[in-house]
Amino acid sequence: DTEVTQTPKHLVMGMTNKKSLKCEQHMGHRAMYWYKQKAKKPPELMFVYSYEKLSINESVPSRFSPECPNSSLLNLHLHALQPEDSALYLCASSQWTGNTEAFFGQGTRLTVV
Amino acid sequence: SQQGEEDPQALSIQEGENATMNCSYKTSINNLQWYRQNSGRGLVHLILIRSNEREKHSGRLRVTLDTSKKSSSLLITASRAADTASYFCATDADRDDKIIFGKGTRLHILP
Repeated sequence: DTEVTQTPKHLVMGMTNKKSLKCEQHMGHRAMYWYKQKAKKPPELMFVYSYEKLSINESVPSRFSPECPNSSLLNLHLHALQPEDSALYLCASSQWTGNTEAFFGQGTRLTVV
Repeated sequence: SQQGEEDPQALSIQEGENATMNCSYKTSINNLQWYRQNSGRGLVHLILIRSNEREKHSGRLRVTLDTSKKSSSLLITASRAADTASYFCATDADRDDKIIFGKGTRLHILP
């Protein structure tokens, strides 16, 4: 199984809502990532987890809260988002950190209204 | 933060022609990767070239790496309509735990 599964595929939320994005992989990868991508732009790194511990936070606002409950799961909790946070949120995993081949999910298309 | 810079930003070629995209980066790297993205969905890994390698092939793909110039190129030979996508190079910035993407090249294959 070489898939990274993200749910939901689409999400519309109000600025006062709390929602979560989920990501799952069963490749035994020990590094997992969250990226944000705006239209016609490259993916921007948000968070890196290594062995279930947060190793990198790219100065992401606290309204985005990552969580890694176990080695297969990665969540991104969303609260009090702004319309400019609307984007494609991509999860990825790799065997370990250090620019090895990463496997990406299909993303969650988030719209904040 | 962006590490890589691709050019051209957009490229349109006829089916069957070869497509070449370039990537420049700023810091030392362990390796460089190329990814493809169709229509704003997930990225697909194409090829990884290590800093001590100069050229690598995978099917119709040929990647070169020049660490002295901090640049890489991706050549797609005999292009097909299905190659229409955005292509990104990705590097580890300053050899840390990040995978940082360049701005990308949007490739359009004309029938």
